Amino acid sequence: QSALTQPASVSGSPGQSITISCTGTSSDIGTYNYVSWYQQYPGKAPKLMIYDVSNRPSGVSNRFSGSKSANTASLTISGLQSEDEGDYYCSSYTSSSTVVFGGGTKLTVL
Amino acid sequence: QLQLQESGPGLVKPSETLSLTCTVSGGYINTFIYYWGWIRQPPGKGLQWIGSACYSGNTYYNPSLKSRVTISLDTSKNQFSLKLSSVTAADTAVYFCARVPSGYDPNWFDPWGQGTLVTVSS
Repeated sequence: QSALTQPASVSGSPGQSITISCTGTSSDIGTYNYVSWYQQYPGKAPKLMIYDVSNRPSGVSNRFSGSKSANTASLTISGLQSEDEGDYYCSSYTSSSTVVFGGGTKLTVL
Repeated sequence: QLQLQESGPGLVKPSETLSLTCTVSGGYINTFIYYWGWIRQPPGKGLQWIGSACYSGNTYYNPSLKSRVTISLDTSKNQFSLKLSSVTAADTAVYFCARVPSGYDPNWFDPWGQGTLVTVSS
């Protein structure tokens, strides 16, 4: 299974909105509404931010939102804050009953 | 509040078997509702799903690791374990355990353990 494709890095200024894309295939993102997003700070464990494409776990800010179109999912962070800086990973369920992650995106808050 | 904690040797020799345990507190693993999974992250790299297992006996493994991986549950200790055989330097990584709340088509992970670094070296 091939990793999902994410941009290596994105950046934005405080208060702005940014979007991170996650591109898969018809065997994963294109077929299933099982896309999740994780935030990871250096040396820490990933934290679930979005599951099932657009659902936010309790406690996650509503500044984080997810969507999907065809084979591409997106994570949007609005009202960017310095604490949002970190690495973001997408993942998807696949037609082989497996899970595949994206390569990760480093978000820099300018 | 559910918490997970990985434990095991931090150093494994090439060709040997890597064995890790994840101890779960604040909940029980003997449920058909959740899966329990392992994910790893090589130093400076991205996340790689290793596999997930359920009390029902269902298990799913990453095809690239399937021939070397076993995930099992020990309900008496409320732990689940990972065994990865014939390791090489490429298996050096931080290994995370996590709950998989999506019992049907298991795919998302929450919460995660803090992770444990395993280095493969002679």
